[in-house]
Amino acid sequence: AQSVTQPDIHITVSEGASLELRCNYSYGATPYLFWYVQSPGQGLQLLLKYFSGDTLVQGIKGFEAEFKRSQSSFNLRKPSVHWSDAAEYFCAVDYSGAGSYQLTFGKGTKLSVIP
Amino acid sequence: EAGVVQSPRYKIIEKKQPVAFWCNPISGHNTLYWYLQNLGQGPELLIRYENEEAVDDSQLPKDRFSAERLKGVDSTLKIQPAELGDSAVYLCASSLAGQGAFDEQFFGPGTRLTVL
Repeated sequence: AQSVTQPDIHITVSEGASLELRCNYSYGATPYLFWYVQSPGQGLQLLLKYFSGDTLVQGIKGFEAEFKRSQSSFNLRKPSVHWSDAAEYFCAVDYSGAGSYQLTFGKGTKLSVIP
Repeated sequence: EAGVVQSPRYKIIEKKQPVAFWCNPISGHNTLYWYLQNLGQGPELLIRYENEEAVDDSQLPKDRFSAERLKGVDSTLKIQPAELGDSAVYLCASSLAGQGAFDEQFFGPGTRLTVL
């Protein structure tokens, strides 16, 4: 079955520290991969996406993600976290091969930032 | 440019009552999605519209849920009757059809439903 796994339910980091949020997907072929952020009371906002090509993808707000086919992973990183990054982060996968028509989301990772 | 608008933002109802959610997508976006987000979970697709046609409603519980998108713009999602387990956030998203693989979905803030 198609699935997306975010192993960490909740992560706490200090402001200025580096961040890595994990995401693993299950599928034989390479799906389209996305990271979204959801702040309290807000809709989901797309941080970055990977379709093909360079496996290191740059996104908005200083985030990047690296696709590793051998590990079926698409981990999100940020070198220095800001207090405003506190939110919930969702990894999503599109297995349809047609773009963003059939997104399967992980359960999310809640990020808390200590000032 | 205005984003995806949803109303109401919050709704509290008694079980067995009907409820409706409204969504206004970004102007010009032909594709509209309704998602259900349970507490501690990621969004799950309920239905996808291409203009006024529901092209994927396989996950919509049709015994109590219905949706419409008249004139291919605004959309309404209805639950009748509501059950306790329907308490969740209902998200609407829209995208610009015809862009192929780069058809980014833009999400509204959601409607938080509480069924008592």
